[in-house]
Amino acid sequence: GAGVSQSPSNKVTEKGKDVELRCDPISGHTALYWYRQRLGQGLEFLIYFQGNSAPDKSGLPSDRFSAERTGESVSTLTIQRTQQEDSAVYLCASSLADGGTQYFGPGTRLLVL
Amino acid sequence: AQSVTQLGSHVSVSEGALVLLRCNYSSSVPPYLFWYVQYPNQGLQLLLKYTSAATLVKGINGFEAEFKKSETSFHLTKPSAHMRDAAEYFCAVSDGQGAQKLVFGQGTRLTINP
Repeated sequence: GAGVSQSPSNKVTEKGKDVELRCDPISGHTALYWYRQRLGQGLEFLIYFQGNSAPDKSGLPSDRFSAERTGESVSTLTIQRTQQEDSAVYLCASSLADGGTQYFGPGTRLLVL
Repeated sequence: AQSVTQLGSHVSVSEGALVLLRCNYSSSVPPYLFWYVQYPNQGLQLLLKYTSAATLVKGINGFEAEFKKSETSFHLTKPSAHMRDAAEYFCAVSDGQGAQKLVFGQGTRLTINP
């Protein structure tokens, strides 16, 4: 497709379980970002990938959160031992180059029971 | 550190009336500023951005915003509201250098009354 896609669109899990969220960026976009949007709040930066450089993990809230990216394609955000406060919409964005306009996917809505 | 404050979590205007959504920022370096819109059940869409060129920026759907350094503001306006403008609007700032990690405001939900 032409835009950023994310899967699943919705995920319900039990506290303590691990979850994996997937992001497919726009083809050719070298930069990829993950953000979290809690209910009624703005987006919080989580992690950033640019090409083969080491990712900027400065926004990850705890060591339960990790992310990987294969080359300049798919990225997965993993949350281990989920907690109820992890419930949020997780948004992925990509940009053509470092500092380019970010295009957002529709998000994955995560609910931890 | 950068931050964004959006004044008013909810704004309601009548169809055809002026839309004004307020955004103030804090940045220790010349900022890049953005307005994004989020329609119900859709992802964020870029409305417009300021990147140190013209201070009055025109975006899509008739929206525009003016960068005022002296007031550290980047308010979003539209002369005449349409029903389709009902959405959540987010103001964001980045330092414009290297990775543009966006710092977002908490959002303003715009309601249009018929």
